[in-house]
Amino acid sequence: DVKVTQSSRYLVKRTGEKVFLECVQDMDHENMFWYRQDPGLGLRLIYFSYDVKMKEKGDIPEGYSVSREKKERFSLILESASTNQTSMYLCASSGQTFNTEAFFGQGTRLTVV
Amino acid sequence: GESVGLHLPTLSVQEGDNSIINCAYSNSASDYFIWYKQESGKGPQFIIDIRSNMDKRQGQRVTVLLNKTVKHLSLQIAATQPGDSAVYFCAERAGGYQKVTFGIGTKLQVIP
Repeated sequence: DVKVTQSSRYLVKRTGEKVFLECVQDMDHENMFWYRQDPGLGLRLIYFSYDVKMKEKGDIPEGYSVSREKKERFSLILESASTNQTSMYLCASSGQTFNTEAFFGQGTRLTVV
Repeated sequence: GESVGLHLPTLSVQEGDNSIINCAYSNSASDYFIWYKQESGKGPQFIIDIRSNMDKRQGQRVTVLLNKTVKHLSLQIAATQPGDSAVYFCAERAGGYQKVTFGIGTKLQVIP
């Protein structure tokens, strides 16, 4: 069974804290993605990576950064958490061929207080 | 303060009936489309995909229709079951690039 694993299901952090969300995939996929999901807004792409040490901004990168030091791991970093970053965060990975669906993790519900 | 998102469109269907979920996409350069199903508390799960050189593709109990003229995508679910209750997202991708853009989703409620 293919697997994308996010390190936490639920997190509560304080405003101003540095937050790390970790994602690991075991499918040897080249591409990895971080989305946030908010009610009625669907999934919005924060950052993605198509190779180790490579990253590209998505649609809403402000307030976030990412790290991809190894192929299987993609980390999302909130440098200074704010309440408007309270959301569901979803990690996904996909292969490099054209018709390659993305596989998602179970999500991390982050609450910033 | 917090931003208020849009209300999620909801489709209520009687068990056993067929469901049709619609999606309008925005990018005329999109060449690959995917439908995902998201059950409560889980990440989205792939259902079916279609390339832009096709107008119809069938899977098990599901059919995706693509109308490039009006930039419209639909997902048809035959003989809808309670287990089909979920939020359904369409997604589009432009070019060979792997960046995928998602719609806001449609909530499907199956009435037993």
